[in-house]
Amino acid sequence: NAGVTQTPKFQVLKTGQSMTLQCAQDMNHNSMYWYRQDPGMGLRLIYYSASEGTTDKGEVPNGYNVSRLNKREFSLRLESAAPSQTSVYFCASSEALHQVETQYFGPGTRLLVL
Amino acid sequence: AQTVTQSQPEMSVQEAETVTLSCTYDTSESDYYLFWYKQPPSRQMILVIRQEAYKQQNATENRFSVNFQKAAKSFSLKISDSQLGDAAMYFCAYRFNFGNEKLTFGTGTRLTIIP
Repeated sequence: NAGVTQTPKFQVLKTGQSMTLQCAQDMNHNSMYWYRQDPGMGLRLIYYSASEGTTDKGEVPNGYNVSRLNKREFSLRLESAAPSQTSVYFCASSEALHQVETQYFGPGTRLLVL
Repeated sequence: AQTVTQSQPEMSVQEAETVTLSCTYDTSESDYYLFWYKQPPSRQMILVIRQEAYKQQNATENRFSVNFQKAAKSFSLKISDSQLGDAAMYFCAYRFNFGNEKLTFGTGTRLTIIP
């Protein structure tokens, strides 16, 4: 099994550009998450989806939108990228909402906004 | 609000030796989970060990063990017989055991293994 996959692995954007980060899981998990990781800070939750068809804001949702396309896929969109969104983005999934014991993370997407 | 503090940004240990990573947390709750995650250079997060607050016995997973001091709100990770593959960023995390509470992560400790 591939587990949780993310694309792209690395991306450079100019301020104001838009892009979508893709995430897919093949473990039949109900819940999916987007986190960002910044130097000197712990992982922070951006958005999450408890189940197919639902999405909710996490700690730092401003400047982002998400789409739970189906049970497998959960995308994160930056409509107008800003330098403050330079970060490493992690997608994760779990069987049930916030069930850490079954939570798997993807390899991350490194985003640089100039 | 819950907070998780890792006061050691970087640690190093000689291969085959033992190292302890520190974590403290702040909560007013009594029923919660604590976790240690490993993030190797591949960046994929891996769950190393978890501790349920109502259990007095410290959790162990092979070479990894924790020292859970509930009154002191301390949750350290001990890695015995350190191996080169243990080199990674280690995150401590907390989750209140109620409803749909999310994970709260610490800032991480970068562990280097010296051959």
